[in-house]
Amino acid sequence: DADVTQTPRNRITKTGKRIMLECSQTKGHDRMYWYRQDPGLGLRLIYYSFDVKDINKGEISDGYSVSRQAQAKFSLSLESAIPNQTALYFCATSDLPDTQYFGPGTRLTVL
Amino acid sequence: AQSVTQLDSHVSVSEGTPVLLRCNYSSSYSPSLFWYVQHPNKGLQLLLKYTSAATLVKGINGFEAEFKKSETSFHLTKPSAHMSDAAEYFCVALNSGYALNFGKGTSLLVTP
Repeated sequence: DADVTQTPRNRITKTGKRIMLECSQTKGHDRMYWYRQDPGLGLRLIYYSFDVKDINKGEISDGYSVSRQAQAKFSLSLESAIPNQTALYFCATSDLPDTQYFGPGTRLTVL
Repeated sequence: AQSVTQLDSHVSVSEGTPVLLRCNYSSSYSPSLFWYVQHPNKGLQLLLKYTSAATLVKGINGFEAEFKKSETSFHLTKPSAHMSDAAEYFCVALNSGYALNFGKGTSLLVTP
């Protein structure tokens, strides 16, 4: 079984809808991250969490919110989706400050 | 903040020939640097990481990278390309002890 899982893997939604992307990990890591990937831009950090009570904004947090329900679960929400949030979203975890382990990604399309 | 620049957006090699993917970093001190690979429709996999222990870093699948402070470079190499190496490769720097700063990626094409 994969150490970092993301659900759903693909989602198509309409402008204005609320969307939640979920991430679960079995690695026992305290740190979790959400990134988005756009073609030609690499990955950019949306939010990160060092433990259940510590959540921080990343480079591009506007339009997004997160919830750290447990050490193993970190959800990303789009309260009112817009087309320019169409992207590939990755969750990652780490225990050490450096090496991060990535989930398989969620491809989100906002029409 | 540390940043990285991948010098080529696309690289094409023939199977069996050497691979060179170039990355320069911008930092006033020795950074933590990584190479990740992303195969089509897959997540990101760590190839190797540099954390100042040794300048030549060996990774998985025959890849290695050399940290050159004088050139502020961290190029990824492999002696002989395989068809399965075709993927997107990202050079990454660690910022502020937690945030990964990704380069824009290099797409590697391997032709028969």
